[in-house]
Amino acid sequence: GDSVTQMEGPVTLSEEAFLTINCTYTATGYPSLFWYVQYPGEGLQLLLKATKADDKGSNKGFEATYRKETTSFHLEKGSVQVSDSAVYFCALLNTGGFKTIFGAGTRLFVKA
Amino acid sequence: NAGVTQTPKFQVLKTGQSMTLQCAQDMNHEYMSWYRQDPGMGLRLIHYSVGAGITDQGEVPNGYNVSRSTTEDFPLRLLSAAPSQTSVYFCASTPGTANSPLHFGNGTRLTVT
Repeated sequence: GDSVTQMEGPVTLSEEAFLTINCTYTATGYPSLFWYVQYPGEGLQLLLKATKADDKGSNKGFEATYRKETTSFHLEKGSVQVSDSAVYFCALLNTGGFKTIFGAGTRLFVKA
Repeated sequence: NAGVTQTPKFQVLKTGQSMTLQCAQDMNHEYMSWYRQDPGMGLRLIHYSVGAGITDQGEVPNGYNVSRSTTEDFPLRLLSAAPSQTSVYFCASTPGTANSPLHFGNGTRLTVT
């Protein structure tokens, strides 16, 4: 079945460091891919998405490119801030459009 | 603009007790779902609904019931709580159109002793 694998955390970085969180997926067809972010005590919220191969999603300085050849959707940010500390989830929406499959989540800590 | 509203925020149950987690959305979304979040396991789908009167099982449905009598509401019932159901529960909705992301509530933290 469909699945998402993302790098284990926690990831600890200093402010202004470069961030990469790896995400790979297994799916039949052509899923849409998402990154969600969860701040403490809150539900998940959409960070960015990409709906077809080679699409780049971007928001708040974060970027991810849909790579069909490597089945990957890695999250990057050039300069992280303390306020980026959160849990990040990679997810796919299958071709049928009803079930979103999530990775295990990666916790990010950013130190001042 | 309420979005997805979950109640209660916190709940403690004893083993064998039953309860209902409430979820309501005001966005006229057709698709609603319940997930549980456990450390190291991400979010796992419990049940989902693609419209009023239609529900189906997700990945981990055992011990839970749902119904969808209206578009707005999608309650999750625990029939006889077990310690293994200690988790954080999230309700989510989406229009169900192609590529639509999920909109989440703020969660219910449930502890079963």
